[in-house]
Amino acid sequence: DGGITQSPKYLFRKEGQNVTLSCEQNLNHDAMYWYRQDPGQGLRLIYYSQIVNDFQKGDIAEGYSVSREKKESFPLTVTSAQKNPTAFYLCASRKQGETEAFFGQGTRLTVV
Amino acid sequence: DQQVKQNSPSLSVQEGRISILNCDYTNSMFDYFLWYKKYPAEGPTFLISISSIKDKNEDGRFTVFLNKSAKHLSLHIVPSQPGDSAVYFCAASAWGGGADGLTFGKGTHLIIQP
Repeated sequence: DGGITQSPKYLFRKEGQNVTLSCEQNLNHDAMYWYRQDPGQGLRLIYYSQIVNDFQKGDIAEGYSVSREKKESFPLTVTSAQKNPTAFYLCASRKQGETEAFFGQGTRLTVV
Repeated sequence: DQQVKQNSPSLSVQEGRISILNCDYTNSMFDYFLWYKKYPAEGPTFLISISSIKDKNEDGRFTVFLNKSAKHLSLHIVPSQPGDSAVYFCAASAWGGGADGLTFGKGTHLIIQP
């Protein structure tokens, strides 16, 4: 059953700690994306990757880092430099040549 | 500056009537538009899309209209059903720049009243 899996669904982090959110897809999609959703803000692009071992900053990349060592995986690290990390994080992927992006179920990160 | 705008944060419609959700964009490079539906604590799911070479696309109860000269699109849902209650996001892409990711509006919360 193909899809995008984000884990964990809920994550709590202490201030000053780095945390990594997982995103795995078995759709054989080339492009993968990380978005952040805040109340009333819509979805904002953090990072994206069009191909393995390559990624680009989105609109709000500060305080985040990513890697793309495998086609299937695109983990996002929220570093201590991110000033307001509490949010709902969404991972998406897209097939080359198509515009529709498919989303995972999201990870709710809360800083305590 | 917001390139995709959904100016109505919420919309309440009676069950069985038509729901019309609006979206405006400013970037003339956008040539493909999508609507996503999102329930709380879940990822968005794709609903319907339209290319800039068309002015209408229909899929069952859902129809999207595009007015390029006005840089405006709308999503019509008819008849509206209780399960349609969700947040609807308008998204846009500049093909070729489509790999850069979709640009989303802030969403409209549609509430279907019984």
